[in-house]
Amino acid sequence: GNSVTQMEGPVTLSEEAFLTINCTYTATGYPSLFWYVQYPGEGLQLLLKATKADDKGSNKGFEATYRKETTSFHLEKGSVQVSDSAVYFCALETSGSRLTFGEGTQLTVNP
Amino acid sequence: NAGVTQTPKFRVLKTGQSMTLLCAQDMNHEYMYWYRQDPGMGLRLIHYSVGEGTTAKGEVPDGYNVSRLKKQNFLLGLESAAPSQTSVYFCASSYSSGRYNQPQHFGDGTRLSIL
Repeated sequence: GNSVTQMEGPVTLSEEAFLTINCTYTATGYPSLFWYVQYPGEGLQLLLKATKADDKGSNKGFEATYRKETTSFHLEKGSVQVSDSAVYFCALETSGSRLTFGEGTQLTVNP
Repeated sequence: NAGVTQTPKFRVLKTGQSMTLLCAQDMNHEYMYWYRQDPGMGLRLIHYSVGEGTTAKGEVPDGYNVSRLKKQNFLLGLESAAPSQTSVYFCASSYSSGRYNQPQHFGDGTRLSIL
């Protein structure tokens, strides 16, 4: 079956630090990969996505590259801000529009 | 531009009580989903629907029922609530596959406590 594994949190960084949140997956077929973000008290919002190997998704300074050879989709940002504090979810979709989520990684950015 | 609206936002129930959670979307989406979110477990799919009048089981369907009588609404029912159903419930909707640049849109969640 499909599964997504994210690095354990919580992650605490200082403002302007470099961020990496690891995500690896197991899937049959050729999944699409996503990062969603959840701000406190809100639902999930799509942050970025990639639909095939070697694609790079990017949005709001965040990036992630679909690596088929390592079955990974790590999230990176060069300089985090306090407003980036949230929970980040990696997810995959194979067929039928059903998403499989990782457990989420809590990020706190201190000024 | 409401998007996905969930009702209620908070609810406390006693074991054995029943209730219905309502999800409404105004984006003319075909697909709708119900998830539960528990600490350290991410989101798990309860039931979903690929169109009006259709429903299907997800990863954790036991103890829940759903109905999709109208395209814009997706109801989640708990017939006899149990403490294990204490969770945050999220509804989502989408046009179709995320592969074609159609991501799932989420509501703000319903926090449900079963005593």
